[in-house]
Amino acid sequence: NAGVTQTPKFQVLKTGQSMTLQCAQDMNHNSMYWYRQDPGMGLRLIYYSASEGTTDKGEVPNGYNVSRLNKREFSLRLESAAPSQTSVYFCASRTGSSGANVLTFGAGSRLTVL
Amino acid sequence: QQPVQSPQAVILREGEDAVINCSSSKALYSVHWYRQKHGEAPVFLMILLKGGEQKGHEKISASFNEKKQQSSLYLTASQLSYSGTYFCGTEDQAGTALIFGKGTTLSVSS
Repeated sequence: NAGVTQTPKFQVLKTGQSMTLQCAQDMNHNSMYWYRQDPGMGLRLIYYSASEGTTDKGEVPNGYNVSRLNKREFSLRLESAAPSQTSVYFCASRTGSSGANVLTFGAGSRLTVL
Repeated sequence: QQPVQSPQAVILREGEDAVINCSSSKALYSVHWYRQKHGEAPVFLMILLKGGEQKGHEKISASFNEKKQQSSLYLTASQLSYSGTYFCGTEDQAGTALIFGKGTTLSVSS
């Protein structure tokens, strides 16, 4: 059981370039999430998808777009990368959006924007 | 709005106890606790729900004061393996998403 798989693990971009972070889960979870982690800031919610076909903004959505491609996959796109988007990005999923459900995190994607 | 965690950092020797607090300005539906080791993903420790239900780790306990919108994580007889950063995540209603605090770094030495 792979759990939550994120690709790529590392990426370096130049300012203005675009890229997509991929996330896939094999646990038949309904809800999926994207967080970013910066030193001293904790985990901040970018976007989430409570169920297939829905997406909602989180705390820091500016500069990002998401696509819930199907039940398994939830991608995060940076259309025009900025140095402020240098961060570690975590995808997570859980059975449903009920508070009783545990989040399972992917290993993270480290993005550097020059 | 991010929940507020305190303290920001704790240094312990093996066998000592620690308490990490998490408070919110909103009425809470659930509180989650996760631990993250350096360079790794956060891992689930505990869930506390409005109404008193709990599920989680055997050796770690937590409380949830719904009226005060606060939760505390109790780490007793700490071990070296307890070192890491602890995050609380809160939800103010079902069907939304966890909002995490900035974390509390715990360092346990022998």
